Amino acid sequence: QKEVEQNSGPLSVPEGAIASLNCTYSDRGSQSFFWYRQYSGKSPELIMSIYSNGDKEDGRFTAQLNKASQYVSLLIRDSQPSDSATYLCAVRSQGNLIFGKGTKLSVKP
Amino acid sequence: GAGVSQSPRYKVTKRGQDVALRCDPISGHVSLYWYRQALGQGPEFLTYFNYEAQQDKSGLPNDRFSAERPEGSISTLTIQRTEQRDSAMYRCASSFPEGLNTGELFFGEGSRLTVL
Repeated sequence: QKEVEQNSGPLSVPEGAIASLNCTYSDRGSQSFFWYRQYSGKSPELIMSIYSNGDKEDGRFTAQLNKASQYVSLLIRDSQPSDSATYLCAVRSQGNLIFGKGTKLSVKP
Repeated sequence: GAGVSQSPRYKVTKRGQDVALRCDPISGHVSLYWYRQALGQGPEFLTYFNYEAQQDKSGLPNDRFSAERPEGSISTLTIQRTEQRDSAMYRCASSFPEGLNTGELFFGEGSRLTVL
């Protein structure tokens, strides 16, 4: 059974702080890793993808991957109230895309 | 079309009835995925297609659930003899083939199923 684990939260951070979201996965053969954001009542949307070990930065977002530890993380710098959403970690495993349960982030003004 | 289109957006049915949920993917997207999402949970994989071929149906909960995509475009997810536990948001997503893309799935607005 391929699994993707996330802390469901809620994670609460003050505006301007760094939010750190974590994810572990069970399938060691996984090659592609993604972070989706889902606002309440809306559909998930892709915000970051990462394929190799290390860091990948895109604006205020940094994705980190450690395949040896089977660990993926997302850092959000200078968090804004508009970042308040559920963040879903997703792992591509043998064609299909497996999602974690998501971490709910709340950014307080 | 401009985005992934799902219908109906809302479906209320009585236990024991069959329901069919439709998904029209983005034009040119050959991969199509079905997920089920309960409130407060992440999307749960059900099945996916490349063109008309069903590649993986390991996520379908039981044999009451089936999906088809006969012409490689529109897909239908059918639930027979619905039960209350089938109540959820059913989401369809499409993408380019897995080997050629960023892995981005484009999701539709979902079909919310309520079984009374």
